[in-house]
Amino acid sequence: GESVGLHLPTLSVQEGDNSIINCAYSNSASDYFIWYKQESGKGPQFIIDIRSNMDKRQGQRVTVLLNKTVKHLSLQIAATQPGDSAVYFCAETSLASGGSYIPTFGRGTSLIVHP
Amino acid sequence: ETGVTQTPRHLVMGMTNKKSLKCEQHLGHNAMYWYKQSAKKPLELMFVYNFKEQTENNSVPSRFSPECPNSSHLFLHLHTLQPEDSALYLCASSPRRHSNQPQHFGDGTRLSIL
Repeated sequence: GESVGLHLPTLSVQEGDNSIINCAYSNSASDYFIWYKQESGKGPQFIIDIRSNMDKRQGQRVTVLLNKTVKHLSLQIAATQPGDSAVYFCAETSLASGGSYIPTFGRGTSLIVHP
Repeated sequence: ETGVTQTPRHLVMGMTNKKSLKCEQHLGHNAMYWYKQSAKKPLELMFVYNFKEQTENNSVPSRFSPECPNSSHLFLHLHTLQPEDSALYLCASSPRRHSNQPQHFGDGTRLSIL
């Protein structure tokens, strides 16, 4: 089957730096992509999403870039803060056989922010 | 407060026990999901319910039995589990299954099988 993967398992940055987390996907039929943040002891929390008809979307301190040509997704966090330390998951969504839109998650990247 | 509440937060059980995990959402969503999260593995979808009807069963062993009495509540009944079933079990909800929208997750139940 097709899968979503992340290039780096761990990313360490200094407070105030910009962070970039990358994700590769392989299902060309996927048309919706989501980034989640998971802090220790908590469930994944929605950060930002993007649909396949866009190549960039900005939120508060976060930007998601989508390159459909090479099937690549990235999450940029500006002025990274210690509170951003967490595991970040990308997910691609496609239509399953039962008619539900089901996300497929990557393994996650652990972001460590040093004060 | 995530809007999705899971109980218990931690559960330790023997392989011959029977227990249930509970999930409740206060978001008015119509679709609910069970996921398994193991160390170093991606989130694994187990079941999907929409308007109380099961729409997806991702080849989950029969020792896991889901129940959805209404759109706000979801249960996962456990019996004769194996040590490899130890994991974090996450519940999620979304407005409806036919649209691409982000899921809202609970904080999970950490399950340990002795």
